[in-house]
Amino acid sequence: AQSVAQPEDQVNVAEGNPLTVKCTYSVSGNPYLFWYVQYPNRGLQFLLKYITGDNLVKGSYGFEAEFNKSQTSFHLKKPSALVSDSALYFCAVYTGGFKTIFGAGTRLFVKA
Amino acid sequence: DVKVTQSSRYLVKRTGEKVFLECVQDMDHENMFWYRQDPGLGLRLIYFSYDVKMKEKGDIPEGYSVSREKKERFSLILESASTNQTSMYLCASNRGRVPNYEQYFGPGTRLTVT
Repeated sequence: AQSVAQPEDQVNVAEGNPLTVKCTYSVSGNPYLFWYVQYPNRGLQFLLKYITGDNLVKGSYGFEAEFNKSQTSFHLKKPSALVSDSALYFCAVYTGGFKTIFGAGTRLFVKA
Repeated sequence: DVKVTQSSRYLVKRTGEKVFLECVQDMDHENMFWYRQDPGLGLRLIYFSYDVKMKEKGDIPEGYSVSREKKERFSLILESASTNQTSMYLCASNRGRVPNYEQYFGPGTRLTVT
């Protein structure tokens, strides 16, 4: 079955430290992977995507993600966290037939 | 900027009422989607539409229907609202027939059914 998993409900990090939000997936064929962010009382906003090419993808707000085919992972990273990065992050994978499935979400808390 | 708007941010309805949630996008996108978002479950697809008057069931269509009479507008209908339909509803759109396009989301409608 096709799926996407975010193993951590919550990630806590101090401001200025690097952050990682984990995502693993299971799809047939080539994966099309996305990260979205949801700030309080807002809809989801697109951060970045992996379609093909370089395994390191750069996106909005200084975020990047590393695609690892052998580990079927697509972890979101940022070298130096900001308090304003505190939000709910969703990993998503396209599964075909116009459909995308989303992970359960990881809440990121950045402490000043 | 792509804009996806939803008719209400907050809605309170009674059990058994018929509920309409409206979504409008202004970027001429072919595809539109309705999700519900529940804590710990992420987003689950209710219905989607890839063209005017076309609709497809998502993963949790029971108790819902949709309408797409115009390209920019996609409506979600709860035929007879129940308390287990209390949730955040998100509309999204994107373009094209290929998988590499991200979705653009509206701000959401938080529906409470009492």
